[in-house]
Amino acid sequence: GQQVMQIPQYQHVQEGEDFTTYCNSSTTLSNIQWYKQRPGGHPVFLIQLVKSGEVKKQKRLTFQFGEAKKNSSLHITATQTTDVGTYFCAGPGYTSGTYKYIFGTGTRLKVLA
Amino acid sequence: NAGVTQTPKFQVLKTGQSMTLQCAQDMNHNSMYWYRQDPGMGLRLIYYSASEGTTDKGEVPNGYNVSRLNKREFSLRLESAAPSQTSVYFCASERGLDQPQHFGDGTRLSIL
Repeated sequence: GQQVMQIPQYQHVQEGEDFTTYCNSSTTLSNIQWYKQRPGGHPVFLIQLVKSGEVKKQKRLTFQFGEAKKNSSLHITATQTTDVGTYFCAGPGYTSGTYKYIFGTGTRLKVLA
Repeated sequence: NAGVTQTPKFQVLKTGQSMTLQCAQDMNHNSMYWYRQDPGMGLRLIYYSASEGTTDKGEVPNGYNVSRLNKREFSLRLESAAPSQTSVYFCASERGLDQPQHFGDGTRLSIL
């Protein structure tokens, strides 16, 4: 079945350093979503990318959708302690005849002050 | 402005006990989901409901049952709890295809 993998699984950075997480799907995606989960919290939707090669920015966060629509990345410039959490990508597909989103394994980010 | 409400927030059960986790959304969303998240892990889909009256199995349905009572409510039942079901359970809802999912605060369930 469809798989969505993320790397790295964990990342520790010094405050002010940049951070990137990568998402790879086993199948071509019609779109991809990104979520952030703060420690002890619930996932919160960040953004959705639809077009091949699309790049979207939210302040210090840059999201990119690959040309082949099988991969995506999230880059954070000059990390802050507020960026701590786990970042998930999610891509849609058919599993057992049902259309639903498959979440990636997540990248847990720790920012050291 | 409640969004997705889950009850209870915390629960401790003994092995073999049964329990129903409740989820309600007030956004008139069509689809609802139940996930479990084990410590340091990602989200695994337990069951899914595309609309009122329909439910589908997800990745890890064994040991669980669900009921989509109406458009607002989607409950998850553990008939005979096992320690392997200790986890954080999240309910989510979605307006429709390719729309963002909105998550509840989660239920932290421990089974001794």
